[in-house]
Amino acid sequence: QSALTQPPSASGSPGQSVTISCTGTSSDVGAYNFVSWYQQLPGKAPKLMIYEVTKRPSGVPDRFSGSKSGNTASLTVSGLQAEDEADYYCSSYTGNNIFYVFGTGTKVTVL
Amino acid sequence: QLQLQESGPGLVKPSETLSLTCSVSGGSISSTTYYWGWIRQPPGKGLEWIGSIYYSGSTYYNPSLKSRVTLSVDTPNNQFSLKLNSVSAADTAVYYCATDSGGYGLDYWGLGTLVTAS
Repeated sequence: QSALTQPPSASGSPGQSVTISCTGTSSDVGAYNFVSWYQQLPGKAPKLMIYEVTKRPSGVPDRFSGSKSGNTASLTVSGLQAEDEADYYCSSYTGNNIFYVFGTGTKVTVL
Repeated sequence: QLQLQESGPGLVKPSETLSLTCSVSGGSISSTTYYWGWIRQPPGKGLEWIGSIYYSGSTYYNPSLKSRVTLSVDTPNNQFSLKLNSVSAADTAVYYCATDSGGYGLDYWGLGTLVTAS
């Protein structure tokens, strides 16, 4: 299976919103509501931010939200803060017991 | 809260087998709540799911690595393991273990360990 497609970079000023897209196919993102998003700070392990398209784990600020339309999922970070500067990866279940295909990653810069 | 810690050699010779162990604390590896997963990240590149295992021993692999990967669970020692054979330079990466909700999300991650094939 091929990696999901994300824009290489995105940016915004503090307080603004940034939205990252994650494009797959009708066999992965479009077929299942099992899209998850991960934040990776420099030199750190990834952290789960969104699961099952829209759900936030305990402790994740509600500034982070997820959505999906067709074969494209999106992560929106509202009220950008300096601490949100990181790499973000999406992932989707693909069926046939293939649990995760990851996106190409997006580097978010807070201007 | 669950904590995971990877351990194993940081250097593996090409054509040999990479072996890593993930020790679990704060919970039981026999839990029915989670699968136990491995993910890797080559330096400067993105994430790649290697595979996941359930406490019963059921395994799920990335098709691109399936022929070279073996996952196992060690219940008495509350840990699980990864073996990747016939390694090459392309297998150089930070290897992470994580709890896996069966495709829904990778909840808790270890700190990761860098393995260099050289």
